[in-house]
Amino acid sequence: GAVVSQHPSRVICKSGTSVKIECRSLDFQATTMFWYRQFPKQSLMLMATSNEGSKATYEQGVEKDKFLINHASLTLSTLTVTSAHPEDSSFYICSAHRLAGNYRNEQFFGPGTRLTVL
Amino acid sequence: SQKIEQNSEALNIQEGKTATLTCNYTNYSPAYLQWYRQDPGRGPVFLLLIRENEKEKRKERLKVTFDTTLKQSLFHITASQPADSATYLCALTPLTDSWGKLQFGAGTQVVVTP
Repeated sequence: GAVVSQHPSRVICKSGTSVKIECRSLDFQATTMFWYRQFPKQSLMLMATSNEGSKATYEQGVEKDKFLINHASLTLSTLTVTSAHPEDSSFYICSAHRLAGNYRNEQFFGPGTRLTVL
Repeated sequence: SQKIEQNSEALNIQEGKTATLTCNYTNYSPAYLQWYRQDPGRGPVFLLLIRENEKEKRKERLKVTFDTTLKQSLFHITASQPADSATYLCALTPLTDSWGKLQFGAGTQVVVTP
């Protein structure tokens, strides 16, 4: 199967600090990765599309200077929450779009990162 | 505006029965529709994908139907088991999207009791 990992799984930080979350596709290459945010009892909301070797595309209402995305290789994308505030506390989930094969239209999701900003 | 609606109330069902979940959408022309399972504190897990020109898809005890006229998908879990208890999300990708973006409904929680 296609496995996507995220690190860390949980992070607690102080307000004003920056937090980096890594998303890795372990056994396949992903030219496109997606970052989502999910608040309790709510739907996953797409934040941005991360393309290897180019700038990320952000959804409307998502601040690109606050949520920095880097897709440095075909297996790694990072999301940095800069100057985090309590309202940024959420469950952040990445997914990877498989490059080829029978699953080209599927996204494989990471286990998520629970961010708590104090 | 585009909307994807799923029953917000939890579906409580007895083991062995069939659970049926609904996903309705408006102002949308999806290329395909997917169903995912999400357990608490975990990322979604892909279950089934159905394209706009397909009426029905099956995988083991799961069945999905897609009616583009009604703008609705039904998701069935037959012979339900307590292990099927989870939140089930439907997600759509618009025809105009080339990246495979997904827009999710809020999900319906299923609770299967022995």
